[in-house]
Amino acid sequence: DQQVKQNSPSLSVQEGRISILNCDYTNSMFDYFLWYKKYPAEGPTFLISISSIKDKNEDGRFTVFLNKSAKHLSLHIVPSQPGDSAVYFCAAASNRDDKIIFGKGTRLHILP
Amino acid sequence: NAGVTQTPKFRILKIGQSMTLQCTQDMNHNYMYWYRQDPGMGLKLIYYSVGAGITDKGEVPNGYNVSRSTTEDFPLRLELAAPSQTSVYFCASSYSSTGDINTEAFFGQGTRLTVV
Repeated sequence: DQQVKQNSPSLSVQEGRISILNCDYTNSMFDYFLWYKKYPAEGPTFLISISSIKDKNEDGRFTVFLNKSAKHLSLHIVPSQPGDSAVYFCAAASNRDDKIIFGKGTRLHILP
Repeated sequence: NAGVTQTPKFRILKIGQSMTLQCTQDMNHNYMYWYRQDPGMGLKLIYYSVGAGITDKGEVPNGYNVSRSTTEDFPLRLELAAPSQTSVYFCASSYSSTGDINTEAFFGQGTRLTVV
């Protein structure tokens, strides 16, 4: 049973526009959510995170929104740049155990 | 800083062979993880460790073993390789327990394993 779901396998966005990547989760015990970015043949790298006590966290072009009642979070990238083309993983963690659970990822293509 | 280092980067195994995937980190992180990434399947947690001498199963532990004799090293052992273990394996580490700002895990470059 998938606890972290990224239902869009891929997304194409024009350069300069906003990219919105979505993530849903089923476990209400999750306290902390993270986004990772992965280029081919490299390990995932941490991008941005949000605690469950917040509903928004911003870092430069990247903003993560959390809607706890809907068990939904989203990553906004604006403006999108060619270097943003990568696979983005949503992940979640709980204070009650020590695991970080990942979604399947969304491949983002930034179009020129 | 080296961060998280995995060796080897690539390996081809025959069915039934055994091997150890090495992982070491130089950040003095307590928490270490092993994930596998299959095409279109995201990252699945195999085993994790919250400190030296302590290991626990993740989502897909069957066919694997781990040990954590030191803080730095977290090797993953495949005893009898099977084609279903063909995957890319990622080791990761983090400073503290999940749920706070130090949760971010740092990943190695990955080991691409093919079992034929």
